[in-house]
Amino acid sequence: AQTVTQSQPEMSVQEAETVTLSCTYDTSESDYYLFWYKQPPSRQMILVIRQEAYKQQNATENRFSVNFQKAAKSFSLKISDSQLGDAAMYFCAYRNSGGGADGLTFGKGTHLIIQP
Amino acid sequence: GAVVSQHPSWVICKSGTSVKIECRSLDFQATTMFWYRQFPKQSLMLMATSNEGSKATYEQGVEKDKFLINHASLTLSTLTVTSAHPEDSSFYICSARDPGQGVSRSKLFFGSGTQLSVL
Repeated sequence: AQTVTQSQPEMSVQEAETVTLSCTYDTSESDYYLFWYKQPPSRQMILVIRQEAYKQQNATENRFSVNFQKAAKSFSLKISDSQLGDAAMYFCAYRNSGGGADGLTFGKGTHLIIQP
Repeated sequence: GAVVSQHPSWVICKSGTSVKIECRSLDFQATTMFWYRQFPKQSLMLMATSNEGSKATYEQGVEKDKFLINHASLTLSTLTVTSAHPEDSSFYICSARDPGQGVSRSKLFFGSGTQLSVL
């Protein structure tokens, strides 16, 4: 079974600064997907960024980027120019690649606080 | 973008009663939907995979007789919590995959969740 570990229960960053959220995972598969989801107080799950394991290039979405280290099974999220609206729970998630029938395995989450 | 509608957003019920939660894909057909459970300040845990026209696949430790899943159409999956007890109180979230995105794109869309409180 796959596992996802987020070792930072809470992180705090000054507005406009950069913060990195850590995530490691364990799998015996060679092809899979990794995701970062944001869950604000509304509890709506919002996809931040996704990475296909077969792609070496790190995914980026505007101020959000990942550092994907496949050999180390590490998938960290970097948020640049932090904004107050970035405050939320962030979950790292894993999914097998086969067929789309597999659900997501989530980490325990990191609560991101943005200091004004 | 694709939208998944989940209803109701919150429900309060008495212990021993059953509660049904609906998850609808509004602008795509979802052959597969997923049900998650989230306790306060905790992560989402996959409960079951709902397959259109066939039985749901439950994760280890999830009681299939307690959490009945029906996926009778390509746009609707329902989760029924039977004989609910206070320990079933939780936040339940569904998600659906838009097959039109292609397997390689594999984008999942989440409902807005249902807070169940059992008195």
